[in-house]
Amino acid sequence: NAGVTQTPKFRVLKTGQSMTLLCAQDMNHEYMYWYRQDPGMGLRLIHYSVGEGTTAKGEVPDGYNVSRLKKQNFLLGLESAAPSQTSVYFCASSSTGPRTETQYFGPGTRLLVL
Amino acid sequence: AQSVTQPDIHITVSEGASLELRCNYSYGATPYLFWYVQSPGQGLQLLLKYFSGDTLVQGIKGFEAEFKRSQSSFNLRKPSVHWSDAAEYFCAVGAGGAQKLVFGQGTRLTINP
Repeated sequence: NAGVTQTPKFRVLKTGQSMTLLCAQDMNHEYMYWYRQDPGMGLRLIHYSVGEGTTAKGEVPDGYNVSRLKKQNFLLGLESAAPSQTSVYFCASSSTGPRTETQYFGPGTRLLVL
Repeated sequence: AQSVTQPDIHITVSEGASLELRCNYSYGATPYLFWYVQSPGQGLQLLLKYFSGDTLVQGIKGFEAEFKRSQSSFNLRKPSVHWSDAAEYFCAVGAGGAQKLVFGQGTRLTINP
């Protein structure tokens, strides 16, 4: 039982390049989330999903797209990376909404955009 | 809108000393409150959570937190810290119909030997 895993762990991009971050969970959780963490700002929600085939915008969705084609996977895409997207990205999952259940976090992906 | 404030960006305590990390939230109804801990280079781990009932909540690693509605606070405490408690601590509120958590800015805890 690996919990929540994220791929890759670290990536360097040039401005304008695209990439996809993969999140996978093996806990059969319905809900999945993508956050970004920046110094002094805590974690901010980018997008989330309440089930396979569904996605919704969070607090800071601009510049990102997501897909949830399979229940266990949640992909975060950057179509044209910008230096402002340099951050640490965390994926999380929970079995129901965050009001009642724990969110389980992955180890993070560190992204540097030059 | 919901919000969480952690007034202390960085706290340093000596090993064996007591600890209190402050958290204030803004929400109209009864909030659901969480404390998470993040060790360097790691993801977040849940320490404890409050949904209802007893306002003093026990968590893992010897931590506890007290919900005080009148002060809109959910402070985290530990009677005696260990060097392994050095980490960043995040308070979060889950509230309303949205399926999300709103996090505070975090408090970095340093332990002096």
